Amino acid sequence: AQSVTQLDSQVPVFEEAPVELRCNYSSSVSVYLFWYVQYPNQGLQLLLKYLSGSTLVESINGFEAEFNKSQTSFHLRKPSVHISDTAEYFCAVGTSRAAGNKLTFGGGTRVLVKP
Amino acid sequence: KAGVTQTPRYLIKTRGQQVTLSCSPISGHRSVSWYQQTPGQGLQFLFEYFSETQRNKGNFPGRFSGRQFSNSRSEMNVSTLELGDSALYLCASSLEAGDVNIQYFGAGTRLSVL
Repeated sequence: AQSVTQLDSQVPVFEEAPVELRCNYSSSVSVYLFWYVQYPNQGLQLLLKYLSGSTLVESINGFEAEFNKSQTSFHLRKPSVHISDTAEYFCAVGTSRAAGNKLTFGGGTRVLVKP
Repeated sequence: KAGVTQTPRYLIKTRGQQVTLSCSPISGHRSVSWYQQTPGQGLQFLFEYFSETQRNKGNFPGRFSGRQFSNSRSEMNVSTLELGDSALYLCASSLEAGDVNIQYFGAGTRLSVL
């Protein structure tokens, strides 16, 4: 079984300041890691993913996350946030199709960017 | 390419009624998964369909059911609605390629049970 813990339920941050959202997971099988973002009254949008290879993955809008196997973490960072980054962010672990192909989500972190 | 489409976006029902939600996946995607999102329980996996067969199921009562059609469109049904079924229901589709399916989500159907 897999589980995901997002250590902060809310993160207030000023515009242009850096932000880090923490995510830790546990799993008995190999996992694939994802960050999704949810804007108000919308569904989930895939922000970035780690499947294999380089442990540092980046999104097109300036977010990055680093897979750390020894610490079982996949923290999300952005060096300078914008008002438009106000949203809820979900970390998720997925398994291979052979192992069941479902996502297990953390509880989410609400990011509120203040001017 | 159009994204995942869920209809309707909003629904209001009363206790005891049943409801059907619809999901059209991204063209070419054959796997459809359903999730329930509530403030208390967060995002929880309901079930997954592939080639018209339920391939995976979460821990929900039998009142929650689904099906998938030959064109990969999927429906989920909730019978005998309870107040606690009020939630955002999200559908995700994925392409069967590689070792892992990457899931893409629709905007959801918000169900309110009165």
